[in-house]
Amino acid sequence: QSVLTQPPSASGTPGQKIAISCSGSSSNIGSDNVNWYQQLPGRAPKLLIYRNDQRPSGVPDRFSGSKSGTSASLAISGLQSEDESYYFCAAWDGSLNGWVFGGGTKLTVL
Amino acid sequence: QVQLQQSGPGLVKPSQTLSLTCAISGDSVSSNRAAWNWIRQSPSRGLEWLGRTYYRSKWYTYYAVSVKSRMIIKADTSKNQFSLQVNSVTPEDTAVYYCARGFDGAIDQWGQGTLVTVSS
Repeated sequence: QSVLTQPPSASGTPGQKIAISCSGSSSNIGSDNVNWYQQLPGRAPKLLIYRNDQRPSGVPDRFSGSKSGTSASLAISGLQSEDESYYFCAAWDGSLNGWVFGGGTKLTVL
Repeated sequence: QVQLQQSGPGLVKPSQTLSLTCAISGDSVSSNRAAWNWIRQSPSRGLEWLGRTYYRSKWYTYYAVSVKSRMIIKADTSKNQFSLQVNSVTPEDTAVYYCARGFDGAIDQWGQGTLVTVSS
């Protein structure tokens, strides 16, 4: 069981805006930053959002992140077919003294 | 541009030792700002952080509680790389293993991944 909770699946149509949630606790999301990753099948994860809402260079501004309390959210606007992928969240857990991850959300673009 | 290149066998027999290496380019294993992590991913367990090592005037190494007794992470400054050793492997250790850099509050760079299968 993953420490951070994400919905297993999400879907949307091209051009639509969707959001993926990530729920944690006071020892991880509640006290530290959240990062989001995109992972294509058979590939290594790619950093999409760091420090809750910051985008690395090269990541389109269609991707945005937010955090409130012990939950965080990744939003994707102007959905495109190439956004079909797995997305997962991560945060540092001060109680476990290590990184914890969400179980991942498979996004389908209909 | 930081790149992490993993190497090591993809098949290990039960009770034997799994050994992987991660060669770093574009950064230093002795960096005072980075931490060097090992993470694995399997369908049954998802993403699991295994441990990290980093240098801040001296070396620090930490492991996940679930694997601490069987795992060793080491840095090799002469080759600018770090390694993972998992002892007494079982089929439950079958997973894709990743090395990754922690930097500025995020794991920002990942190796290409190595599928390690534990089977006789």
